[in-house]
Amino acid sequence: QVQLVESGGGVVQPGRSLRLSCAASGFTFSNYGIHWVRQVPGKGLEWLAMIRYDGGKTMYADSVRGRFIISRDNSKNSVFLQMNSLTVADTARYYCARTFTGDFDYWGQGTLVTVSS
Amino acid sequence: EIVLTQSPGTLSLSPGERATLSCRASQSVISNYLAWYQQKPGQAPRLLISGASRRATGIPDRFSGSGSGTDFTLTVSRLEPEDFAVYYCQQYGSSPFTFGGGTKLEI
Repeated sequence: QVQLVESGGGVVQPGRSLRLSCAASGFTFSNYGIHWVRQVPGKGLEWLAMIRYDGGKTMYADSVRGRFIISRDNSKNSVFLQMNSLTVADTARYYCARTFTGDFDYWGQGTLVTVSS
Repeated sequence: EIVLTQSPGTLSLSPGERATLSCRASQSVISNYLAWYQQKPGQAPRLLISGASRRATGIPDRFSGSGSGTDFTLTVSRLEPEDFAVYYCQQYGSSPFTFGGGTKLEI
């Protein structure tokens, strides 16, 4: 069955970096784009970034462009989100989600990132 | 950026009743690329509807989506206890792929 498993979250100080991973299984990973979405606890969903199935195109929300970098390794069925210059406002649960026709048809359970001094 | 406004913010209903949730876009959604997601506490969102009206795999037919352009609706024809959750609309026609603020469907 389709599975997406995020990892790499934790507590980090403001200004530091963190790298999240999204490990995929149960489908042909290299055929699908992957998005990152975050959610502040108790709040709504915010789209962050997307990478095309072949890694040839990436897109970012204004709130993270220039600080976050999305990448993928199709040989490892994984997508990564490198997060730099973190602030308290980046505290959230981070989800990866799969896309083929544009909608986000499968989501991982998320990994929690807490930015605190 | 397309802003999606969902209403109402909270909808209080009983099992067996009909729920109608609204999502209004600040500009026309390209090709009606509008999705609806359900999220229960402690869980990831789940895709219900894509392309404004197409049910995702395994979604019961009591869920239906309609609308086009800037006005979209999610209808749950007869509420089951497991349907009480938060529902989000999202447009995926143009970047940034924005979400609405959500509608909480409560008993």
